[in-house]
Amino acid sequence: RKEVEQDPGPFNVPEGATVAFNCTYSNSASQSFFWYRQDCRKEPKLLMSVYSSGNEDGRFTAQLNRASQYISLLIRDSKLSDSATYLCVVKRGNQGGKLIFGQGTELSVKP
Amino acid sequence: GAGVSQSPSNKVTEKGKDVELRCDPISGHTALYWYRQSLGQGLEFLIYFQGNSAPDKSGLPSDRFSAERTGGSVSTLTIQRTQQEDSAVYLCASSITGRGEQYFGPGTRLTVT
Repeated sequence: RKEVEQDPGPFNVPEGATVAFNCTYSNSASQSFFWYRQDCRKEPKLLMSVYSSGNEDGRFTAQLNRASQYISLLIRDSKLSDSATYLCVVKRGNQGGKLIFGQGTELSVKP
Repeated sequence: GAGVSQSPSNKVTEKGKDVELRCDPISGHTALYWYRQSLGQGLEFLIYFQGNSAPDKSGLPSDRFSAERTGGSVSTLTIQRTQQEDSAVYLCASSITGRGEQYFGPGTRLTVT
């Protein structure tokens, strides 16, 4: 079993839809949590960090449930430009800066 | 300013040959990471350099893989006696410290034939 698990998708949604991605992690030592975005054949880029109280950045909302070891990302009013792979990422508190990536969830937003 | 750069962008090599991949981190970033991304495996950590500390090599898949970071800046990842399963995109990232946001380079696509 992988340390960070995501539904690979693809998620095919129409413009304007709301879509939610889920992620679970298995190592309770994980202390920092992120969502990265990766466009086709490009490098990953940080979308947002995920905080215990939940956080929002425009159309994007991230939630963390430490008890269930579960992270989510909600995208509202999806745009064509949101089409990408979304990577759930964790960092353990005792392992420096090493990031542990999920397999990614592919999103395709259609007109 | 300039981001993380990597060279070459693509490398095709024959099985058994050695390859060197280069990473230039963002100026002033003390932490440097190597990851690789292959089909079916996702992104996996290889090695991490932080300042003058001993590198974290826990992700290197075999002793054919090694990396060094000279002068706290440029890093080279070397793969000896390449195998077909080494084919992947090798990504380098840097951050201001080991706790900061990691900025990724565009990667080197390695194909071993």
